Formats: sequence, C-alpha cells, structure tokens
Amino acid sequence: AQSVAQPEDQVNVAEGNPLTVKCTYSVSGNPYLFWYVQYPNRGLQFLLKYITGDNLVKGSYGFEAEFNKSQTSFHLKKPSALVSDSALYFCAVSSASGGSYIPTFGRGTSLIVHP
Amino acid sequence: KAGVTQTPRYLIKTRGQQVTLSCSPISGHRSVSWYQQTPGQGLQFLFEYFSETQRNKGNFPGRFSGRQFSNSRSEMNVSTLELGDSALYLCASSLGAGGSSYEQYFGPGTRLTVT
Repeated sequence: AQSVAQPEDQVNVAEGNPLTVKCTYSVSGNPYLFWYVQYPNRGLQFLLKYITGDNLVKGSYGFEAEFNKSQTSFHLKKPSALVSDSALYFCAVSSASGGSYIPTFGRGTSLIVHP
Repeated sequence: KAGVTQTPRYLIKTRGQQVTLSCSPISGHRSVSWYQQTPGQGLQFLFEYFSETQRNKGNFPGRFSGRQFSNSRSEMNVSTLELGDSALYLCASSLGAGGSSYEQYFGPGTRLTVT
C-alpha cells in the first residue's frame, strides 16, 4: 500500500527566511508526487507536481520541490518566505502501478510565517 | 474557466437524517473524487467516479454513497447521519482518473454539522 508522511505538524519560519516542508512517501512503481496548499475555509489548491524528468520542480507562488528517489522524499521549498504563505500544506502520491490508484494525502503541515 | 463548485457550502443536520451534497467539476474533467476532512483524521478518500462509474472506494461505511451523471456532475449522499459525520466534504475533479499524473482541482467544500 502506498503512503505519505509529513513528519512535522507545524513549521515556523521568519519572513524572508527560506522554508522547507518535508514529505516522504512509499509506493510501488514510479510515483507521481503533488503538493497542495489549503488556506482557511478554502479547498486545496494545486502547487506543483513531479511526474518524470528533472528532479527539481518549480510551481506556483515561487515554490519548488526536489524529488529524491533514493531517500523517497519530495520536500517543498521556497527561498524567501512571505507572511501570506501561512497555510496548510499537503503532500500527495499517486501511481499508475502497484494496485492502488487512489491518491494518498499526508496529514498536512501547518506553515506559519512570522513577520 | 470556472472552477469546481460545491453546493451547499454549509449544512446543519440532525442525527438520523440524510444529506445530499452536489459537485460540479471543471468543464472537460471526467473524474470526480470526494474526500472527508476532519481535524483528527485529516483528508480521507471517500470514492472516485470516472465517466459515471465508481472506480475506487475508500474505507467508509455503506451509509456513504455517490453517483456521477452524464455531464460529470456528482452527488454524494450520507444516510442516517451520525455526530461523527461532521466534517468538511471536499470534491475534486481531474482530467485523468486515479493513478494518473493529472493533478486534482478542489472545490471550496461543504461544511456539514450534525447535531
């Protein structure tokens, strides 16, 4: 069965500093990896995805993520955090093989950016 | 183009009643998935419909059911409501079915409160 782990419930960072939100996964076959963001009282918004190719993926709002196959990780990063980045971030994995076609989401990480 | 819409946005029901939630996907999207989001359990997959067929089902009791119409609109029904069904119900549409590399687009959710 596939799974996603977001080891930190909350990440605190000062505005202007770099941020990292961690995600590790387990899946049979080649993974499709996604990051979503949820603002209060809103649905999830797609940020970026890794399908194949370059391990560094760039997405919306200046976010990027690095796929590391050996460490089975897909950490979300941003060089300079903004207060408006404060939200709940979800990592998700999907796969066309391995028997489970249900996208699996992590439990989410609350990012708090302090002014 | 218009995003995913969900109606109603808020709902208050009494234990034992039933409820129907509606979701209109992005035009051209044939896959609609439903999720239950709660603070304790996070984002849990309910089911997915693709071209009017249920392709995947999560680990929820039979009180939770759904369907998809020929125009890809989907409805979710919960019968015999329990207090524990209080949650944010999210609908997501996608170009591809589960296990594909296509990202999901989420609606704003329906906040269901069971009293």
